[in-house]
Amino acid sequence: GAVVSQHPSRVICKSGTSVKIECRSLDFQATTMFWYRQFPKQSLMLMATSNEGSKATYEQGVEKDKFLINHASLTLSTLTVTSAHPEDSSFYICSAAGLGTQYFGPGTRLLVL
Amino acid sequence: DQQVKQNSPSLSVQEGRISILNCDYTNSMFDYFLWYKKYPAEGPTFLISISSIKDKNEDGRFTVFLNKSAKHLSLHIVPSQPGDSAVYFCAASLNSGGSNYKLTFGKGTLLTVNP
Repeated sequence: GAVVSQHPSRVICKSGTSVKIECRSLDFQATTMFWYRQFPKQSLMLMATSNEGSKATYEQGVEKDKFLINHASLTLSTLTVTSAHPEDSSFYICSAAGLGTQYFGPGTRLLVL
Repeated sequence: DQQVKQNSPSLSVQEGRISILNCDYTNSMFDYFLWYKKYPAEGPTFLISISSIKDKNEDGRFTVFLNKSAKHLSLHIVPSQPGDSAVYFCAASLNSGGSNYKLTFGKGTLLTVNP
């Protein structure tokens, strides 16, 4: 199947700093990518839909100024958690839409101290 | 409001037996359903899907059944293998599941297949 990578896989940062997570589709072009977060024992919650060359569409309750999404190319979308706080600690997963389904990245574990 | 529900947080079966994972949904507009498998600290992996125009789809050991009137679907794994041990997520989509459409996930069911 198609491969989607995420970088970094794990990040620990201090409260108040910003963290950028990259999502890349390695063997296909993805006009649409999705960003999810998952808390322990919870489902994957869609945060936003990232469309190449246009603004992201955020789900209700997700602060667009806090979770900045950029989809500058057909193979790369980035999620920046600005001024991160401990409550932002979570598992962030991206997916790339293509080939009839969504392919998920391996996820990024964010821990904000 | 959870539109996709997996009411069993865990399931344990013996190797070689059938695993049946259940999923219910509330939004009658959903018309495409998917099952994903997820190992710890990894992203979900697509397993199998079904369109609302069908009531069954089979792929090797995996079969998904859809009962639209009951808004219920299930994933059958036969025979179950220890490597199937993972969290299984049910997901639903609108607009016939084009890959660009967002998915709504259930909370997942942890399947443990015992040797």
